[in-house]
Amino acid sequence: NAGVTQTPKFRVLKTGQSMTLLCAQDMNHEYMYWYRQDPGMGLRLIHYSVGEGTTAKGEVPDGYNVSRLKKQNFLLGLESAAPSQTSVYFCASSLGETGTGNYGYTFGSGTRLTVV
Amino acid sequence: GEDVEQSLFLSVREGDSSVINCTYTDSSSTYLYWYKQEPGAGLQLLTYIFSNMDMKQDQRLTVLLNKKDKHLSLRIADTQTGDSAIYFCAESLAGGYQKVTFGIGTKLQVIP
Repeated sequence: NAGVTQTPKFRVLKTGQSMTLLCAQDMNHEYMYWYRQDPGMGLRLIHYSVGEGTTAKGEVPDGYNVSRLKKQNFLLGLESAAPSQTSVYFCASSLGETGTGNYGYTFGSGTRLTVV
Repeated sequence: GEDVEQSLFLSVREGDSSVINCTYTDSSSTYLYWYKQEPGAGLQLLTYIFSNMDMKQDQRLTVLLNKKDKHLSLRIADTQTGDSAIYFCAESLAGGYQKVTFGIGTKLQVIP
């Protein structure tokens, strides 16, 4: 009964370093999402995927890349980290099309990233 | 464009009812949601309502929708200290991939 699992939970990076955040879901959900949460800004969508092998840009995609090679995994990459990317990152998944039994997202517990 | 607005903070005494309010701008929104985020955790879906409904009740939670005024509220009866969290209102359309727009979140503080 894992739901959505994110790794790592915490990370400190130096400016210019790269890293990959991993999201895994065991609910056979088609859609997956990456959000960042910043104080006073709410949740902002970075990238999303509507199925294995597909990705699309959200509201704030710059500086991030994603891949969805397997249906259950959605990876978020930072190629050259910047202090502005200090944030809490959440992965979420949903069954598929909004409606017809798909109501709402299942979120992971988040990755707290600090870039110094 | 879509926008969802919420007040930032609400404080209530344990045992009282809490009412968290939200307004949205997209009159064609089909689904409206309430999520709860406890400290250090992700968002958890509490409940949702279709735009053709006026009210939905689920145990201590009551959602009221005033579609004319684009106003959504979440009432928590007999508020407990475990209800202390940030509550997010969200809205989306139906069909295919539809962007979900989240509010900024209302922090509920329950005073023992």
